[in-house]
Amino acid sequence: AQSVTQLGSHVSVSEGALVLLRCNYSSSVPPYLFWYVQYPNQGLQLLLKYTSAATLVKGINGFEAEFKKSETSFHLTKPSAHMSDAAEYFCAVSGRDDKIIFGKGTRLHILP
Amino acid sequence: SAVISQKPSRDICQRGTSLTIQCQVDSQVTMMFWYRQQPGQSLTLIATANQGSEATYESGFVIDKFPISRPNLTFSTLTVSNMSPEDSSIYLCSVERDRGVGTQYFGPGTRLTVL
Repeated sequence: AQSVTQLGSHVSVSEGALVLLRCNYSSSVPPYLFWYVQYPNQGLQLLLKYTSAATLVKGINGFEAEFKKSETSFHLTKPSAHMSDAAEYFCAVSGRDDKIIFGKGTRLHILP
Repeated sequence: SAVISQKPSRDICQRGTSLTIQCQVDSQVTMMFWYRQQPGQSLTLIATANQGSEATYESGFVIDKFPISRPNLTFSTLTVSNMSPEDSSIYLCSVERDRGVGTQYFGPGTRLTVL
């Protein structure tokens, strides 16, 4: 079985500061891992995905995430926050059975 | 990726009525999924809809309440039946384009309010 834990339902960072959104997973098989972003009143957009290739994954909008098997983590980072990054971010895991399990989400607030 | 549209984008419905949500994809896909996102919550999978077979429902969801059709490889509908205020949610469809990788692409969602 797979599960995802996102630490922090709300995270606030200043514009220009580092963004770090934490995600830990549990999986009985080598997982696929995803980060999705949801802007207000919109559907989910895929930011990036890990599929057992490089452990450092680069996504859209300057985001990246690193798969750390020893820590069962897949934290999302961005060096410099922009006001347009304010959104809800979902970490998700797939156990290769075509189903994705989503975390509860982290709302990112950007302070001017 | 995939271009996915949903109709309606939002609706306000009366208790006891039913609403059918449409999901259209710009290319043929084998697997389509329907999710519910309750206010302030994460996504919960309702069912998986494969063309040519019955939808597979997750625990807590039943066909009588959420009947699904999948008439072809680019289209699906989800009906929310006999609605109550607890059904007020965003309903999203998604498709899997990279079979074996598990990546899903989502539609914009249908925001349903039941009075």
